[in-house]
Parts: sequence; C-alpha cells; structure tokens
Amino acid sequence: GAGVSQSPSNKVTEKGKDVELRCDPISGHTALYWYRQRLGQGLEFLIYFQGNSAPDKSGLPSDRFSAERTGESVSTLTIQRTQQEDSAVYLCASSWRGWGETQYFGPGTRLLVL
Amino acid sequence: GQQLNQSPQSMFIQEGEDVSMNCTSSSIFNTWLWYKQEPGEGPVLLIALYKAGELTSNGRLTAQFGITRKDSFLNISASIPSDVGIYFCAGRQTGANNLFFGTGTRLTVIP
Repeated sequence: GAGVSQSPSNKVTEKGKDVELRCDPISGHTALYWYRQRLGQGLEFLIYFQGNSAPDKSGLPSDRFSAERTGESVSTLTIQRTQQEDSAVYLCASSWRGWGETQYFGPGTRLLVL
Repeated sequence: GQQLNQSPQSMFIQEGEDVSMNCTSSSIFNTWLWYKQEPGEGPVLLIALYKAGELTSNGRLTAQFGITRKDSFLNISASIPSDVGIYFCAGRQTGANNLFFGTGTRLTVIP
C-alpha cells in the first residue's frame, strides 16, 4: 500500500554528467507530475503525464531535461550535461486522474551537482 | 510564470499560539491549495479550496479562498510542536494544467 516512491534519495554528480531520477507512482494513479524545488523555494512544475495523452512538457527549463513514462507506471526524469544550477530536490507526485485531483508526493531526490 | 507571494517567510511562535499566513497573486485562480512539508518529505495536502469566499476547516486548520480570487489565507489555532514545517500555498488557473506554488512559510513552534 506504498505511496509514491523515488530513487535515489540522494545523488551527487559532477558537472557535465547525465543523471536519471526514478519515480514509482501509487498503483492505479493515471496522472504523474515532476516538480523541482530549489533551496528555500516553492515547487516549480516541470512535466505532467496523464494516461496515454501526450505529456505536458511546458515546465521543462531546457532541452537538457526530458522525462518518460512507461504506460501508467514508472517515470524517469533525465537531466543531461548537468549544471550546478540543476542542484535541487526533484519531487514526483501522482494522482488518480488529472490536475483536479489530490496529488500525493514522494519524498524527492536531492540532486547536488558539483 | 505566475508569482505567488506568500507571507511571512518564517514564524517563531510559542506553543498554544494561533498562526496566520497568507498568499496573494497578481492573477485570478480557480483553486487554492495549502500544503505542509516536513524535512526530507514531499508536501502533503492540508486543505483544498474551490470557490471564492469558501471557508474550510480541517481540525485546527482553517483556510479561506479570497473573494477577489487572488488571495488565500491559512490559520492554525492552538499550535503544537508537530505543526513545525514549511507551509506552501498553491494555485491553479482556469484552463491551465499546472499548479503555481508560493515560496513557503517556515513555522517553528517553541514548546
């Protein structure tokens, strides 16, 4: 009966390397969201998946960021050629359907780019 | 993107005191949400508001959707140590997919 899980919980990488962050949503939830939270800031929307519809990528900050979702399950957020400004907590959330529904958040992945 | 101005940025209060925080926007929202985030955790939804003027309570928490649809406030009565955390407001505009979040109010409760 797990909630949203994310891995890894912490990631330290060197500038220029690629990283992959994983999110396992709550089983049965068709909607999945990625957010970025910089230190001392609120959450910044990145991307939204809803069922088999084309994802809403309007929040991705650059073409170095991409995300995929396999069916209605696992999602992977990939950051290529990481920069120091990418250091943040990356949060994933899922909901039963779409934006009007309550979003349940995972604990986040803390990314530090050196 | 939209700016949600949340205040105060931080609060230090004595246990038992009441707390009030608010969130304002330059744009109209059709939904206001209040979340709490504890260290190392993701945000947890506390209260959701869907109509202008709506006043909703959840235990010791009370939130209101402003009449102008550009603001919301959250009150916590008789604070206790476990109220410690960061409280975020979030809003959604009509026809938009995404939520906009405030910068948070960090609450410290002194026993």
